[in-house]
Amino acid sequence: AQSVTQPDIHITVSEGASLELRCNYSYGATPYLFWYVQSPGQGLQLLLKYLSGDTLVQGIKGFEAEFKRSQSSFNLRKPSVHWSDAAEYFCAVVGHNTDKLIFGTGTRLQVFP
Amino acid sequence: GAVVSQHPSWVICKSGTSVKIECRSLDFQATTMFWYRQFPKQSLMLMATSNEGSKATYEQGVEKDKFLINHASLTLSTLTVTSAHPEDSSFYICSARGTGVWNTEAFFGQGTRLTVV
Repeated sequence: AQSVTQPDIHITVSEGASLELRCNYSYGATPYLFWYVQSPGQGLQLLLKYLSGDTLVQGIKGFEAEFKRSQSSFNLRKPSVHWSDAAEYFCAVVGHNTDKLIFGTGTRLQVFP
Repeated sequence: GAVVSQHPSWVICKSGTSVKIECRSLDFQATTMFWYRQFPKQSLMLMATSNEGSKATYEQGVEKDKFLINHASLTLSTLTVTSAHPEDSSFYICSARGTGVWNTEAFFGQGTRLTVV
C-alpha cells in the first residue's frame, strides 16, 4: 500500500536560515508527489508538484523540491525562511491509477525572528 | 489555480442534529471530489471519494450512513453529518479534481470547523 513518511514532526528555524523538510514515500512505481502548506484553521495550498521530467521542481513562495528515486524521497527546501512561512507542511502522493491523495503526518514549522 | 469554495467555514450544532457542508468548484468541473477529516495537529484522513452522478466510495472505518455524501453536479458535493455527536467535532476539508488541465492536482476548500455541543 502507498504510504508517506514525514520523519520530522516539528522543526524550528531562525528567520533567514535555510530549510529542508523530509518526505519519503512507499509505492511500487513512481507516483505523483506534492507538497502542501496549511495555515492554522485553513485549507491546503499547493506549493509544488512532481509529475514527471525534471527531478528538481520549483514552487511558489521560493520553495523547491527534489525527487530522488533511489531514496524514494521528495524533500522540500527553501534557502531563506521568512516568518510568514510558519505553518504545517504536508507531503502527499497519488498513484497513477488511483485518485486517492495520501498524506504524510505533517511537519510543523516554527520560525523565530 | 482553480478555486474550491467550502461552506460554512465553521458551524456549531447540538448533539443529535444533522449538519450539511457544501463544497463547490467555482471555475472548473469537478469530476471527482474528496472529503477529508482532520483532528487537531494531525494529518488529513480521507473519508470518501465521490464521482459526479455516482455513489461515494467510503474508506474503511467510515460510516456511510453517518456521513452522507452527495455529488449531484459537476460543481457541487455535499457532506451531511447525521445525528452528530461531540466525537464528530473536527475539521472537515473537501478537495476536487477535474479533467484535462484540472486533473493533475487536487484543489482544496478552506475547510469547515464542526463543533458538536
